[in-house]
Amino acid sequence: NAGVTQTPKFQVLKTGQSMTLQCAQDMNHEYMSWYRQDPGMGLRLIHYSVGAGITDQGEVPNGYNVSRSTTEDFPLRLLSAAPSQTSVYFCASSSISGTSGSEQYFGPGTRLTVT
Amino acid sequence: QQQVKQSPQSLIVQKGGIPIINCAYENTAFDYFPWYQQFPGKGPALLIAIRPDVSEKKEGRFTISFNKSAKQFSLHIMDSQPGDSATYFCAASRANTGFQKLVFGTGTRLLVSP
Repeated sequence: NAGVTQTPKFQVLKTGQSMTLQCAQDMNHEYMSWYRQDPGMGLRLIHYSVGAGITDQGEVPNGYNVSRSTTEDFPLRLLSAAPSQTSVYFCASSSISGTSGSEQYFGPGTRLTVT
Repeated sequence: QQQVKQSPQSLIVQKGGIPIINCAYENTAFDYFPWYQQFPGKGPALLIAIRPDVSEKKEGRFTISFNKSAKQFSLHIMDSQPGDSATYFCAASRANTGFQKLVFGTGTRLLVSP
């Protein structure tokens, strides 16, 4: 059971380039989400999905696209990278069946630098 | 606008001490308050969580205290150990989102000296 996996671990982009951050989970979780972590700002929700074919925006969605074609995969696309998108990106998954709470399982993160 | 305010930003305690991390929230619709622990180079992991129907929850050396009227909650780490050195995040969400869509505090970097 690999849990939540993310690739790549590190990436350097030039301004204007596009790329896709990959995320996969093998726990059959319905809910998946992307966060970015910046110093002094905690983690902020970018996009999330409650199941295949269903996505919605979080707190900071601008400049990012997502899609969810399978339960397992939830890629994050940067359309035209900007220096402000330099950050550490975390993917998370969780079950939505809990009645008193829900544990989100985070991947190891992707450190992205945009020059 | 920070919906969940966390303090202090950093904290140093000696082994055996009791670090306390505080969080405050504004949105009274929040009804699920987890704490996540993050080690360098790793993703956050759930440590302990509380619902507002109780004022305290203990799991091992970790305790959450919750004050609904003050809209505040805090994490206490009893008999802290060097292995507890990590960054701690409080968070909040709502049952009507399936306890998803977490709003995080800004984090507290804890160092427990030997």
